[in-house]
Amino acid sequence: DADVTQTPRNRITKTGKRIMLECSQTKGHDRMYWYRQDPGLGLRLIYYSFDVKDINKGEISDGYSVSRQAQAKFSLSLESAIPNQTALYFCATSVNQGSGELFFGEGSRLTVL
Amino acid sequence: DQQVKQNSPSLSVQEGRISILNCDYTNSMFDYFLWYKKYPAEGPTFLISISSIKDKNEDGRFTVFLNKSAKHLSLHIVPSQPGDSAVYFCAASRPEIGANSKLTFGKGITLSVRP
Repeated sequence: DADVTQTPRNRITKTGKRIMLECSQTKGHDRMYWYRQDPGLGLRLIYYSFDVKDINKGEISDGYSVSRQAQAKFSLSLESAIPNQTALYFCATSVNQGSGELFFGEGSRLTVL
Repeated sequence: DQQVKQNSPSLSVQEGRISILNCDYTNSMFDYFLWYKKYPAEGPTFLISISSIKDKNEDGRFTVFLNKSAKHLSLHIVPSQPGDSAVYFCAASRPEIGANSKLTFGKGITLSVRP
């Protein structure tokens, strides 16, 4: 079983709909992250959380919100999806110390029509 | 402002030869550098890293070189194998206030190793 699990793996939705992507981890890490990958743009940080009561905006947080329900769970919401939010989304975790090495989930592909 | 740059979008090499993947950075505060490998339909996985106090780190077929004065690092794969075909991301981290850190990624380079 994957240590970092994302659901759903694939989702097609329409403009204006509310979408939630969920992430759960069994690694026991305090830090969790949401990234999006777009062709030619690499991985960009949306939000991150260093513990249950900590939420921080990343470089592209507009149009997104997050909830850290527990140490093991970090969800990403699109309140009103738009087509340019079509992307591959990755959840990741890391330990508190060290280099910041990330452990990624398998990704959630979101298409907004 | 892109702080981690992978200027070549793709690289094709023959099996058995050396693959050299380059990465440049602009922020002198970065103190740790990592390479991630990503196969289609999978999440990125950690490959190798290097601290800014070193200039070389080797792990099997993979070696990362760091040139701090040039703000440049490179990943060498020798010998290259078809299974190395993937997207490679360069990433960098710097200590934030409170000793936390997070990664900044480059755009990635697609490596194709021809049999």
